[in-house]
Amino acid sequence: RKEVEQDPGPFNVPEGATVAFNCTYSNSASQSFFWYRQDCRKEPKLLMSVYSSGNEDGRFTAQLNRASQYISLLIRDSKLSDSATYLCVVSRQGAQKLVFGQGTRLTINP
Amino acid sequence: DTEVTQTPKHLVMGMTNKKSLKCEQHMGHRAMYWYKQKAKKPPELMFVYSYEKLSINESVPSRFSPECPNSSLLNLHLHALQPEDSALYLCASSPPGGTFYQETQYFGPGTRLLVL
Repeated sequence: RKEVEQDPGPFNVPEGATVAFNCTYSNSASQSFFWYRQDCRKEPKLLMSVYSSGNEDGRFTAQLNRASQYISLLIRDSKLSDSATYLCVVSRQGAQKLVFGQGTRLTINP
Repeated sequence: DTEVTQTPKHLVMGMTNKKSLKCEQHMGHRAMYWYKQKAKKPPELMFVYSYEKLSINESVPSRFSPECPNSSLLNLHLHALQPEDSALYLCASSPPGGTFYQETQYFGPGTRLLVL
């Protein structure tokens, strides 16, 4: 079983739709949680850190459920520019090692 | 400013060549990383330098040799590579100290390597 699991998609949704991604992690020692986005042939870019209480940044909302070891990302009012691969990433405190999910590919259609 | 720079952007090399990849950051980060990424796969960690000392080597073949000359620079020396080493090589850095803050990594744009 992979340490971080994501639905690889692809997700194809119309512009303006709401889309949700889920991610589960198996290591209960995981302390830090992130969503990165990666555009085709570009580097991963930090989208959001995920806090225990949940957090929101504009159209993006991230949730963490430690009991279920589950992380989610919600994108509201999706834009064409949201098309990318979304990587769920976890880390143990002080481990200096990020563990990546396989990524979920999202395409927003006009 | 969360900028990590990498040179060159693209590199084509033969299996007998020696080349180097360079990574630089001026954010005062004290941990720097090399990753390898194949198409449609997530990045795979290769090496971690912490305070200019190698702290993690993920069993990378010796044809890849990292070097950290100072806190802002990270090199990856390449020698006798194989065609299967063709990939995007990403450098990342993360801030010093703390706990949660330490784990946030910022990636450079990568070097796309083709080994012939």
